[in-house]
Amino acid sequence: KAGVTQTPRYLIKTRGQQVTLSCSPISGHRSVSWYQQTPGQGLQFLFEYFSETQRNKGNFPGRFSGRQFSNSRSEMNVSTLELGDSALYLCASSLPPWDTSSGANVLTFGAGSRLTVL
Amino acid sequence: AQTVTQSQPEMSVQEAETVTLSCTYDTSENNYYLFWYKQPPSRQMILVIRQEAYKQQNATENRFSVNFQKAAKSFSLKISDSQLGDTAMYFCAFYGGATNKLIFGTGTLLAVQP
Repeated sequence: KAGVTQTPRYLIKTRGQQVTLSCSPISGHRSVSWYQQTPGQGLQFLFEYFSETQRNKGNFPGRFSGRQFSNSRSEMNVSTLELGDSALYLCASSLPPWDTSSGANVLTFGAGSRLTVL
Repeated sequence: AQTVTQSQPEMSVQEAETVTLSCTYDTSENNYYLFWYKQPPSRQMILVIRQEAYKQQNATENRFSVNFQKAAKSFSLKISDSQLGDTAMYFCAFYGGATNKLIFGTGTLLAVQP
């Protein structure tokens, strides 16, 4: 069973540009979450999607946006990049929280997309 | 708001020995889940162990076990017979309430020495 796939793995952008990151969840997982990981702030929640709807959003500016498609694949977009956006962006998929199986609420992470903003 | 605290930024252990990583959390929720995730240098975050708050029995997964003290809001991870491959950053995480998100601690960098 394939894991969570994130593309691209590495990318370099310059300030002011925008970037789109992609995440394909584990087959059967319909919930996708995004996290930003930096040395200074640690792991911070960006947003969560389920059935193409954003169910929860972290405390990030509006430059950070996302969406989920009908096949559960998700993308996140960062516009007008700033130096501080340099980070590892992690995507995670899961069964929905209300699923009563033992796998509920267990997030499986992808390898991440390493964004460097110059 | 829920918070997760890992007070040990770095730890070191000799191969084959036992090490315990500490985690405390704060919540007013009664039903929640606690996790330990491992992030090796390759950066892939991997689930180590999971504990449901309503279960009194401590979770175990092979060499990994937890000491869950609900009243004290403590959730420590014990790694027995440490192996070189256990070298990684370990994150404690909380999931509960209506937040629908994992709240992570700052992590503990564990180095297993040969």
